[in-house]
Parts: sequence; structure tokens; C-alpha cells
Amino acid sequence: AQSVTQLGSHVSVSEGALVLLRCNYSSSVPPYLFWYVQYPNQGLQLLLKYTTGATLVKGINGFEAEFKKSETSFHLTKPSAHMSDAAEYFCAVIDTSGTYKYIFGTGTRLKVLA
Amino acid sequence: GAGVSQSPSNKVTEKGKDVELRCDPISGHTALYWYRQRLGQGLEFLIYFQGNSAPDKSGLPSDRFSAERTGESVSTLTIQRTQQEDSAVYLCASSLDNTSGEKLFFGSGTQLSVL
Repeated sequence: AQSVTQLGSHVSVSEGALVLLRCNYSSSVPPYLFWYVQYPNQGLQLLLKYTTGATLVKGINGFEAEFKKSETSFHLTKPSAHMSDAAEYFCAVIDTSGTYKYIFGTGTRLKVLA
Repeated sequence: GAGVSQSPSNKVTEKGKDVELRCDPISGHTALYWYRQRLGQGLEFLIYFQGNSAPDKSGLPSDRFSAERTGESVSTLTIQRTQQEDSAVYLCASSLDNTSGEKLFFGSGTQLSVL
């Protein structure tokens, strides 16, 4: 069964600094990969996803992520953090080896310091 | 409706009472999920419905929890004999086709408070 691990339940960055949120999956079959964001008092929304094709995917609000099969990773990055990026970020995979079930990581809360 | 609809949005109940939470997914979405999110925590998978397949109930925390889905439409999550630790936001989500990597659409959730 596939699983997803997010390193760091809380990450703090200064405004204007690089944002790096880590996500690793465990699977022998490449899954579909997603990042969802939950802004304060709002529902979850899709930030970006990888299914096939180009391994570097761009999402909303300047975020991007790169699928690295050799590292079983799908880390989320943004070159310059804004205060409005403060939110909870969830990495997710779809298990392509069987049931095609969505599996979410435990989330990383991003804090942006002025 | 245009999105995933959940009702009620808030539910306050007494310990030991049964509650029923409702989810109306987007029309045509074959996949439906229930998740639980405790305050400040991540998403805890509860149950997954995919078309006419048997549901994946592996996330239900105890036999007090059950869920049903009528065809590819409305789903209800029932919690019997509620406990204080059941207090959380219960989220429903649906998607068109997981086999092609479609995104999940989330409802606004039901905030359950067990006194």
C-alpha cells in the first residue's frame, strides 16, 4: 500500500525567503501526486498535481513541485514567500496500484514572518 | 448544486446521542470520501466510496461509525453513542474519476461538538 510522509509539521520562513515543504511517498508504482492548501477558516483546494508528463509542475500563487522518482519525492517550493502564503499544506497521492484511493499526508503548517 | 454540499454545518450534541451527517457530492462524481479533522490536526481518512465497488472502510475508528452512499449520490455518516473525542470537523469530498488523477472537491464540513 502506498503512503505519504510530510517532514516537518510546522515550517517558518521570513517574508521573501524560499519556501520548501517536503513530501515523500512510498510505492513501487509511481502514484499520482498532489498538493492541497487550506487557508485559515477555508476549505481545502488544489494547489498543483502531477499525473504524467513533465516532472516539474506549476500551480497557483507561484508554487511549483518536482516529481523525482529516484528520490520518491514531490517537494513543494516557492521562490519568495508572501504573508498570504500562511496556511496548512497537504501532500496527497492516489494509489495507482489498486483502489485509486486518495491518501493524504499529515500536513505542514507554514508560518510567514514579517 | 455547483459544489459539494454538507449538512448541517454545525452540530452540537450530548455525549451518548447518535448523529447523522449528510454529504451531497457533485453530480456525476463517482468517488466520495469522508475525512475527520481535529482542531489543528491533519486529515484522518474514514471511508471511501468508488462507484459500485464495496466501500473502503479501513479508516473508521470504531464500530460506532458507519456510512452509506446511495448509488453515486448522497452519502450519510452516522456516529452512534457519540463521545467527546468525536468532536471534530467532518469533511466530505468527491471527484470525477480517480483513475485519471482528478482533483478532489471538498465540502465546507460539519463541525461536530460533543458536550
